[in-house]
Amino acid sequence: EDQVTQSPEALRLQEGESSSLNCSYTVSGLRGLFWYRQDPGKGPEFLFTLYSAGEEKEKERLKATLTKKESFLHITAPKPEDSATYLCAVQSNAGGTSYGKLTFGQGTILTVHP
Amino acid sequence: DVKVTQSSRYLVKRTGEKVFLECVQDMDHENMFWYRQDPGLGLRLIYFSYDVKMKEKGDIPEGYSVSREKKERFSLILESASTNQTSMYLCASRPLGTGVMGGAPLHFGNGTRLTVT
Repeated sequence: EDQVTQSPEALRLQEGESSSLNCSYTVSGLRGLFWYRQDPGKGPEFLFTLYSAGEEKEKERLKATLTKKESFLHITAPKPEDSATYLCAVQSNAGGTSYGKLTFGQGTILTVHP
Repeated sequence: DVKVTQSSRYLVKRTGEKVFLECVQDMDHENMFWYRQDPGLGLRLIYFSYDVKMKEKGDIPEGYSVSREKKERFSLILESASTNQTSMYLCASRPLGTGVMGGAPLHFGNGTRLTVT
């Protein structure tokens, strides 16, 4: 069974204080690892897809990296508007179907204080 | 941009009522999904559909059914609402995954917060 564990559960930062969120996973063959941002009362917003170990993706102050066991979401010089819940999800290639399910972690609640 | 629209942001229903949650996507995606999101439990898959009139059970299908008569529309049905179905319901869609490059991301609607009293 695929499993995703995110840490920490909650993270409070001062504006400009860089940090990282962790996503550890176990999956029977990784088809893709996805990062989402979710604001209160809204649906998750897609950020990145990573497919293989060593891959990195960047968007503004966010950078996602991937190893064989975990992914990190690095936040450089965060601003208050980066406050949100960040979700990680994996899709395995078990069964070889293209409509494979995503397994989500519980998320990290990030608060950035001005 | 992909747009996934859920017909209601908030719903309040009584125990025993039949409840319909509607979802429409505008990008001709083959796959559509219904999740529920609860504090401490994260997102859990209820049902998904990989094509018109096709459906598959997710991890928590009990008490729910779905309908997909048209490609753009995926409905979640609570046959007889119960208080433990009070939750945030999220619909998502995605195109078919590409073989070598792996899976495509889900695109979510803004959710329907359902309260069953």
